[in-house]
Amino acid sequence: GAVVSQHPSRVICKSGTSVKIECRSLDFQATTMFWYRQFPKQSLMLMATSNEGSKATYEQGVEKDKFLINHASLTLSTLTVTSAHPEDSSFYICSARAGGAGALGETQYFGPGTRLLVL
Amino acid sequence: QKEVEQDPGPLSVPEGAIVSLNCTYSNSAFQYFMWYRQYSRKGPELLMYTYSSGNKEDGRFTAQVDKSSKYISLFIRDSQPSDSATYLCAMRAWMDSSYKLIFGSGTRLLVRP
Repeated sequence: GAVVSQHPSRVICKSGTSVKIECRSLDFQATTMFWYRQFPKQSLMLMATSNEGSKATYEQGVEKDKFLINHASLTLSTLTVTSAHPEDSSFYICSARAGGAGALGETQYFGPGTRLLVL
Repeated sequence: QKEVEQDPGPLSVPEGAIVSLNCTYSNSAFQYFMWYRQYSRKGPELLMYTYSSGNKEDGRFTAQVDKSSKYISLFIRDSQPSDSATYLCAMRAWMDSSYKLIFGSGTRLLVRP
C-alpha cells in the first residue's frame, strides 16, 4: 500500500516552454501533498505544501508564479514549471500524506521523481 | 547550525557488516522520526518510522531514538550490496502553521561484495 506515482519520469524541454508534472496517490487519499526539489548529491528541498481544494503554501524563496501547483482532488496534484530555464533543471519529487491520527497518517510517501532538463 | 545534522559519508563497508547511521537534531519539538532510503535517481522510500524513544526493529533494520540526547540511529545488520544507497533521516515539525518534514542531508552507503 501507500504508492505514489509521478508522470513523466523524465522530460526534456526547450527554454521558455512550460512543463507539467503529475503526482498521484494510487491507493490512498492524500489530504496533503508536497513538492520537493533535489540537486545532485544534496538533500530534498521543500518547495511547497498543498492541501486538496486550497491554495498551495510556498516556501521562502520559491516563486509561486513560476511553480504553479494545483491539488484538484485527494489523489492528484500537479506542478507546472512555467517558462522553464536551464537553471530549473533538477529532480522534482512529490510526496503525499494521508493525514489522520497516528504515525501512519503523518508519514509522507514519495513518488519516484521527475528529472527535468531544460535546454 | 542546521536543525538536523547527518554525516554525508560516503560510508564504505564490506558485505555482512553491521552499519550504523546517525542523525542529531536541535529542536526538542520534533516528534515523529523516519528513515528513508533513496537509490540513485529514484524517490525516497520509507524504511522505518517511530515516535517514542527506544528501539524499533524490522527485519535487518533497527531504528533507535534517544530524545534526551536528540540523537537517532539506524542499524543495518548483515548488510548487502543492495543496501548501497543514500539514507535520509527525517523528523516532523510544526512550522508555519503546518506539519513539515525536516530532512538530514543524507548519508551515502556503499556495501562492497
